[in-house]
Amino acid sequence: AQKITQTQPGMFVQEKEAVTLDCTYDTSDPSYGLFWYKQPSSGEMIFLIYQGSYDQQNATEGRYSLNFQKARKSANLVISASQLGDSAMYFCAMRTDSWGKLQFGAGTQVVVTP
Amino acid sequence: GAVVSQHPSRVICKSGTSVKIECRSLDFQATTMFWYRQFPKKSLMLMATSNEGSKATYEQGVEKDKFLINHASLTLSTLTVTSAHPEDSSFYICSAIRGVGGSNQPQHFGDGTRLSIL
Repeated sequence: AQKITQTQPGMFVQEKEAVTLDCTYDTSDPSYGLFWYKQPSSGEMIFLIYQGSYDQQNATEGRYSLNFQKARKSANLVISASQLGDSAMYFCAMRTDSWGKLQFGAGTQVVVTP
Repeated sequence: GAVVSQHPSRVICKSGTSVKIECRSLDFQATTMFWYRQFPKKSLMLMATSNEGSKATYEQGVEKDKFLINHASLTLSTLTVTSAHPEDSSFYICSAIRGVGGSNQPQHFGDGTRLSIL
């Protein structure tokens, strides 16, 4: 069975510091995709970054980078130089079929403090 | 690009009313759209996969007759909550994938609809 796990329910981080959000997954499919989304308190889901199972390099998008460790089945999100606007819920998700269906983790609430 | 519009953003109505929520991809065609439900402080729960021109595929435990989904065009999917009751109150959010999907295409989400049934 496919499963995606986020073990950190919440965390505080100081402004300008880096933060790492954990995500582990389990699948027997050799081809899969991993996504990170941000959900502010207003509710919209914002796509942040994608990592494919066959990608050789870790994905990066601005201040977001993905620490992809395939053997350990982990895809941790690193946010560098945190900003107050980064306070939100962050979800890790795994594509589970060819239509693009996603399975989401439980999410991690991040609060950035001045 | 990749803008998805969801309407209405908030609905408050009486028990027994049917409520229709629209999800539109504004600047791309979407063969596949998804409908989710989210409870406070919880993750997104997939309700159904909506494919243009065919019947929606519902997840286990989701009542097809309660949550009617229609995907009539490549840019519009609708979710109708029929005869809504207080337990149907929730945050509903849709998403769409550009084109015919694929392994690296992200889902682009609407802003969600907060449904409150009195």
